[in-house]
Amino acid sequence: AQKVTQAQTEISVVEKEDVTLDCVYETRDTTYYLFWYKQPPSGELVFLIRRNSFDEQNEISGRYSWNFQKSTSSFNFTITASQVVDSAVYFCALRLYNQGGKLIFGQGTELSVKP
Amino acid sequence: DAGVIQSPRHEVTEMGQEVTLRCKPISGHDYLFWYRQTMMRGLELLIYFNNNVPIDDSGMPEDRFSAKMPNASFSTLKIQPSEPRDSAVYFCASSPTLRDQPQHFGDGTRLSIL
Repeated sequence: AQKVTQAQTEISVVEKEDVTLDCVYETRDTTYYLFWYKQPPSGELVFLIRRNSFDEQNEISGRYSWNFQKSTSSFNFTITASQVVDSAVYFCALRLYNQGGKLIFGQGTELSVKP
Repeated sequence: DAGVIQSPRHEVTEMGQEVTLRCKPISGHDYLFWYRQTMMRGLELLIYFNNNVPIDDSGMPEDRFSAKMPNASFSTLKIQPSEPRDSAVYFCASSPTLRDQPQHFGDGTRLSIL
């Protein structure tokens, strides 16, 4: 069965600290896609990044970086020098090539960045 | 560019009433999705459409729920009759294709059934 686990329910950091949000996924499929979404307190879901299963290159976008490791089935998200505006719930999601459009979401990690 | 537009943003109604949620996808996106978010079950897919045709409705909880997409720019999710356990945030999302394209979400409708 397919599953996404975000073991950290809540994380609290002080501004300017680095923080890593963990995501572990389970699937026997060889072709799949991984995503991160951000849900700020206002409630909308904002797309952050997509990764294909055959592309293990890590990615950096400003203060955000993502580490994809197929060997450990992990797709972790790091925020460098966190800011108060980063406070949100972050969701990792999996979509299988052979399962159409269904996104399988993790339970989310609530990040609180304090000034 | 306009994103996915959902209405209403908030809906409060009494048990037994009919509820209709509306969604306008991003222009040019062929796929439209309805998700529900609850504390207990997290985010789960209810149904999705391709070119206005329902493709997978296996996530629709029961017959009280129905969804339609009469044209490429409009979809509805209807609950009749509504029950308190239907209280949740309902999201609509759209994407141009499947596979590696991300789904872009609307702001959601927060539904409360009293």
